[in-house]
Amino acid sequence: AQSVTQLDSHVSVSEGTPVLLRCNYSSSYSPSLFWYVQHPNKGLQLLLKYTSAATLVKGINGFEAEFKKSETSFHLTKPSAHMSDAAEYFCVVSAQMLSGGGADGLTFGKGTHLIIQP
Amino acid sequence: NAGVTQNPKFQVLKTGQSMTLQCAQDMNHNSMYWYRQDPGMGLRLIYYSASEGTTDKGEVPNGYNVSRLNKREFSLRLESAAPSQTSVYFCASREDRPFPSNQPQHFGDGTRLSIL
Repeated sequence: AQSVTQLDSHVSVSEGTPVLLRCNYSSSYSPSLFWYVQHPNKGLQLLLKYTSAATLVKGINGFEAEFKKSETSFHLTKPSAHMSDAAEYFCVVSAQMLSGGGADGLTFGKGTHLIIQP
Repeated sequence: NAGVTQNPKFQVLKTGQSMTLQCAQDMNHNSMYWYRQDPGMGLRLIYYSASEGTTDKGEVPNGYNVSRLNKREFSLRLESAAPSQTSVYFCASREDRPFPSNQPQHFGDGTRLSIL
């Protein structure tokens, strides 16, 4: 079994200040982890992914995330927020289902709405 | 690069009507998915298809049917629409080689469905 918890449903920051979006996961397998961004009236777009290589992962638009196995966390950060970062962000865990069949191995967090104050 | 294309973009139905949501991908992916997105609930999997000719139920399959017409197309059908099915529906696809779990999903822009 696996789960994903996005610890904040809403985060509000001022433009130019750091962004921290928190994600904790649990998985019985060695997971891959993803962050997606969803702008209004759009589908989800991949920001970055962790797949057991480097624990610090850099993504698009200046975002990065660090995989911490001991803390079962995969928090998303950005040094300086921009107005265009205002969106919904989803953390996703993906594990190879060793039992095979019946499940796609993907679990989504419920999302964090990022608000950027001018 | 079209990626994942969904049609229609918007639809309003009356209770009891039926309709089919269309999805096509041009990336030669084996796996395709249908999700619904409701406020505060994230994305919930309705059905997915690991390959052409196979489909499996997800978390919320009741009231829906799917067809994997070929490798490109995966449609979602509401046989008798209910107000509880008012939602935004997303289709996604994913490469499954070399390891499915390492591959990101690619999403369409969604179908916004209202049922009165």
